Amino acid sequence: GQQLNQSPQSMFIQEGEDVSMNCTSSSIFNTWLWYKQDPGEGPVLLIALYKAGELTSNGRLTAQFGITRKDSFLNISASIPSDVGIYFCAGQPPPFYGGSQGNLIFGKGTKLSVKP
Amino acid sequence: DSGVTQTPKHLITATGQRVTLRCSPRSGDLSVYWYQQSLDQGLQFLIQYYNGEERAKGNILERFSAQQFPDLHSELNLSSLELGDSALYFCASSVGGMASGSYNEQFFGPGTRLTVL
Repeated sequence: GQQLNQSPQSMFIQEGEDVSMNCTSSSIFNTWLWYKQDPGEGPVLLIALYKAGELTSNGRLTAQFGITRKDSFLNISASIPSDVGIYFCAGQPPPFYGGSQGNLIFGKGTKLSVKP
Repeated sequence: DSGVTQTPKHLITATGQRVTLRCSPRSGDLSVYWYQQSLDQGLQFLIQYYNGEERAKGNILERFSAQQFPDLHSELNLSSLELGDSALYFCASSVGGMASGSYNEQFFGPGTRLTVL
């Protein structure tokens, strides 16, 4: 089945640093989504991308839908302590890949921690 | 608070047993989705219901089943439990959910942590 490769698996940030993470796939997606999950809670949608090449910002977060439809990145600028958490990318496959509203494929997450 | 509620928050049970997880979607949402989150597999889509009908199926085992009731709440039934079923189970809801190629934001509940001993 389709898989998303998300990297890095984990990273440490210092307040004020910019952060970058990405997701790649061997197959195309119609929609790319970025979620954040805090401990003990469900994922919360940060950014949704609907068209190849689309670049969308949400405050200090910027995400892009790759032109090949097989990748996406998320950047966080000037990180702050509350950015800590797990970030997931997710993609919605096209209909001919069994894609439907619910059938989101998730990456395994990027865990953001604060540098000791 | 996403507006999606899940009960119970924690569940500890033994192998071979059967459990039921419950989800109430946000007011006005017609679609309910179930996901399993384990350490090694990440978030896996299990099944989707829209207004009482099954709409999409993912990696759901035959030992698992779900339904959505007329009041739109949903239950996920897990039977003949195995150690490997230990995971976080999330429910999400969205307003729509019928058309592929479009996306209605899914709002996730806080999850039920299932531990099978």
